Amino acid sequence: QVQLHESGPGLVKPSQTLSLTCTVTGASLRRSEDFWSWIRQPAGKGLEWIGRLYPSGSTNYNPSLKSRVTMSVDRSNNQFSLKLTSVTAADTAVYYCARESSLPPNFFDYWGQGALVIVSS
Amino acid sequence: EIVLTQSPATLSLSPGERATLSCRASQSISNYLGWYQQKPGQAPRLLIYDASNRATGTPARFSGSGSGTDFTLTISSLEPEDFAVYYCQQRSNWPHLTFGPGTKVEIK
Repeated sequence: QVQLHESGPGLVKPSQTLSLTCTVTGASLRRSEDFWSWIRQPAGKGLEWIGRLYPSGSTNYNPSLKSRVTMSVDRSNNQFSLKLTSVTAADTAVYYCARESSLPPNFFDYWGQGALVIVSS
Repeated sequence: EIVLTQSPATLSLSPGERATLSCRASQSISNYLGWYQQKPGQAPRLLIYDASNRATGTPARFSGSGSGTDFTLTISSLEPEDFAVYYCQQRSNWPHLTFGPGTKVEIK
C-alpha cells in the first residue's frame, strides 16, 4: 500500500522559506512510471498544483510560483521536499504531496494527509 | 493556461437523489479530465479519470461523461457518504495541471 506523509514546520514567518518533506512508503521514488507532486489548498478554497518531481530529479513548476519554488529528492530515504521562498500570508494553506501515476496517467492516485502551514509573524 | 469552471458552486440534494455536476474548460481538452471527491479534513480522492473511467474502488453510482470543453459527473443515487466537495482536474496542458474551483454537494 502506497502511503505519503508530509512533515515540516507548521508556522513560518513572512519573507522566510517554507520547507516541507514528503516521506513515501510502499513505492520507490526511483520507479520511472511515477511522478511526485506538491499541491496546496488555502482554507476553504480550491486546489493549486505547485510542481512535479521526476525520478531523474528534474522538475516542472507552476508558472505562477516558479520563481520561488524548488523541489528535490532524497532517494536514500525515499523522500522528496518542497522549498518555497519569500512567503507571505497568501501562502498559508494545507500542503499535500501526491503521486502522479502512469495509470491513470497524470492524475493523482495517492495523497498524503496534508500539512497545514501558516505564514505569520 | 487552461481554466476550469465548475457549476453549480453548491448543490443541495437529499439522499437517494441524482446529482449532476458540471465542469467546463476554457478550451478543448479532449477527454483529459478527472474528478476528485474531498471530504472535510481529508485529502482529495480520485474518482474518475479521462472523463469516464472509474478509478480503482470508485462505486458504480459515479459516472463521468463529456469531451472537448464540457464534462459531467453524475452520482446516480446519493448515499450519505457522497456529501462532499468535488473537483475536476485537466491533464491536457501537461506538464501543467489545473483544478476547477469545486462543487459542494450538501444535504438538503
